[in-house]
Amino acid sequence: GDSVTQMEGPVTLSEEAFLTINCTYTATGYPSLFWYVQYPGEGLQLLLKATKADDKGSNKGFEATYRKETTSFHLEKGSVQVSDSAVYFCALSDQTSGSRLTFGEGTQLTVNP
Amino acid sequence: GAVVSQHPSWVICKSGTSVKIECRSLDFQATTMFWYRQFPKQSLMLMATSNEGSKATYEQGVEKDKFLINHASLTLSTLTVTSAHPEDSSFYICSARLSGRTSYEQYFGPGTRLTVT
Repeated sequence: GDSVTQMEGPVTLSEEAFLTINCTYTATGYPSLFWYVQYPGEGLQLLLKATKADDKGSNKGFEATYRKETTSFHLEKGSVQVSDSAVYFCALSDQTSGSRLTFGEGTQLTVNP
Repeated sequence: GAVVSQHPSWVICKSGTSVKIECRSLDFQATTMFWYRQFPKQSLMLMATSNEGSKATYEQGVEKDKFLINHASLTLSTLTVTSAHPEDSSFYICSARLSGRTSYEQYFGPGTRLTVT
């Protein structure tokens, strides 16, 4: 079945540091890939997405590239801010499963001033 | 656009009582809605897929009779936790997919925190 694996957290960075959160996946079809962000006490917000190989999703300074050859979708940001502190979830949706989302474990990011 | 609301945002109930949680798509129609459960510092676990006008599809291990889902309209799905027990305490999140779209994107509600005493 489909699965998503994220790097273990928590991750603690200083403001303006470079961020990478690794995400790899296994899927039976050709999935769409997503990064969601969850701020404390809130639901999930879509951060970015990519629907086919080599697509790059970007939003609010975050980027992730759909790499079919390595089955990865790593999240990056060049300079994090304190306001980026949140939990980040990698997810996929496979054609064979309709619009069901399979989530990774989530990575807690804390950015210190 | 594509806003999903949940009500209530938090609820405390006594063991043995039932609690209803509403999920509404405010500015779009949603043929399909999803219900998730999230334990502290853990990922989301899909409980069931709710389709308007038909019975919900439950994930393996989720008790249908305990977690009653109704999707009576294109903008409203409800989750009723029946005979709640302390182990049902959790963060419940719903999401909705736009009707007629081929995109697999889901829009999430803000979640409902349930505490059973």
